[in-house]
Amino acid sequence: NAGVTQTPKFQVLKTGQSMTLQCAQDMNHEYMSWYRQDPGMGLRLIHYSVGAGITDQGEVPNGYNVSRSTTEDFPLRLLSAAPSQTSVYFCASSYLGKGAKNIQYFGAGTRLSVL
Amino acid sequence: AQTVTQSQPEMSVQEAETVTLSCTYDTSESDYYLFWYKQPPSRQMILVIRQEAYKQQNATENRFSVNFQKAAKSFSLKISDSQLGDAAMYFCAQNIALGTYKYIFGTGTRLKVLA
Repeated sequence: NAGVTQTPKFQVLKTGQSMTLQCAQDMNHEYMSWYRQDPGMGLRLIHYSVGAGITDQGEVPNGYNVSRSTTEDFPLRLLSAAPSQTSVYFCASSYLGKGAKNIQYFGAGTRLSVL
Repeated sequence: AQTVTQSQPEMSVQEAETVTLSCTYDTSESDYYLFWYKQPPSRQMILVIRQEAYKQQNATENRFSVNFQKAAKSFSLKISDSQLGDAAMYFCAQNIALGTYKYIFGTGTRLKVLA
């Protein structure tokens, strides 16, 4: 049971470069989200999706794009990386049906450094 | 704005002893969920325990239990018979409102377990 899979685990970028952080889940969860974790802070919501074709902004969306073409995948795109985007990124997913208990399941995270 | 506050950046506990981690939150919602997540050095976010605000009974999961005081907006985690494997960062989180999966996280408490 793979759960939520994030790739890559580590990435170093130069300022201005673009990249996509991948997130896939095999639990048929409708809800998927992206968080960033910075030192001394809790996780902050970047973007989320309640189903294929539906995305919305979270608390800190600037500098990030998302799309949801399938239930399984929810990639996070950095169009022009900035040092302020150095962080650990977590993808999470949840089942939205009855009995879901509002529990999110997290991937192992991607550590991103922007030089 | 809703907030989740963990006032203890770091705690230590002797192996086999009991420790309590504090969490307070601020919300105008009457129904919501509260969570404690554990983040070991592997970075994986692991759900420890979940509390439904409309339930007065405190949640328990084996050695983990909570003291939920709704009027005081307090949600502390008690770990009994602490084990070396309990050493981790612990995050308190609240979903923003019933029906949403948006979480607000506290800044975390690092728990050290002393042999």
